[in-house]
Amino acid sequence: AQSVTQLGSHVSVSEGALVLLRCNYSSSVPPYLFWYVQYPNQGLQLLLKYTTGATLVKGINGFEAEFKKSETSFHLTKPSAHMSDAAEYFCAVSAPGTAGNKLTFGGGTRVLVKP
Amino acid sequence: EADIYQTPRYLVIGTGKKITLECSQTMGHDKMYWYQQDPGMELHLIHYSYGVNSTEKGDLSSESTVSRIRTEHFPLTLESARPSHTSQYLCASSKSSGSNEQFFGPGTRLTVL
Repeated sequence: AQSVTQLGSHVSVSEGALVLLRCNYSSSVPPYLFWYVQYPNQGLQLLLKYTTGATLVKGINGFEAEFKKSETSFHLTKPSAHMSDAAEYFCAVSAPGTAGNKLTFGGGTRVLVKP
Repeated sequence: EADIYQTPRYLVIGTGKKITLECSQTMGHDKMYWYQQDPGMELHLIHYSYGVNSTEKGDLSSESTVSRIRTEHFPLTLESARPSHTSQYLCASSKSSGSNEQFFGPGTRLTVL
């Protein structure tokens, strides 16, 4: 079975500052990893995903994440926060080739951007 | 345009009513999912389906039921709504193979009085 831990349920950043959201996972097989963003009263939108290949993955809205197998981490970063980045962010893992192969989500991190 | 739709977006009903939350997708996906999410909280998988006539219970026990008679349609039903069912319900779909990337609908926010 796989699991995801997001460190920090709330993160507050100043506009223009670095955004860093932490995600650690566990998986019995090489995982696929995802970051989703959720704006108020909306569904989840995919920011980026890692399957195989390059470990630094670039996504939409200037976000990127790096898969570090040795640290079992997939932290999300953005160099300069914008007010529109205020939202809830979810890290997720799937275990390809396993029975069911469902997505397992972390608890989410709410980002507040201060002007 | 390929998309995933949920209706209604908002629903306020009284205790004891039967309700059906609709979910349809034009993505051509075989797999579909229902999640329950309380405000500001994590997602809990309550039902999923791998195709027509396939339904499975998810990780969180739910009094709701689902059906999958058509590939593109995955409705969720509550026979007798209670205040404890107040939540947001998110529908998602994914391909049968590949990364299991899931595409989400906009959600239905249910309030049971």
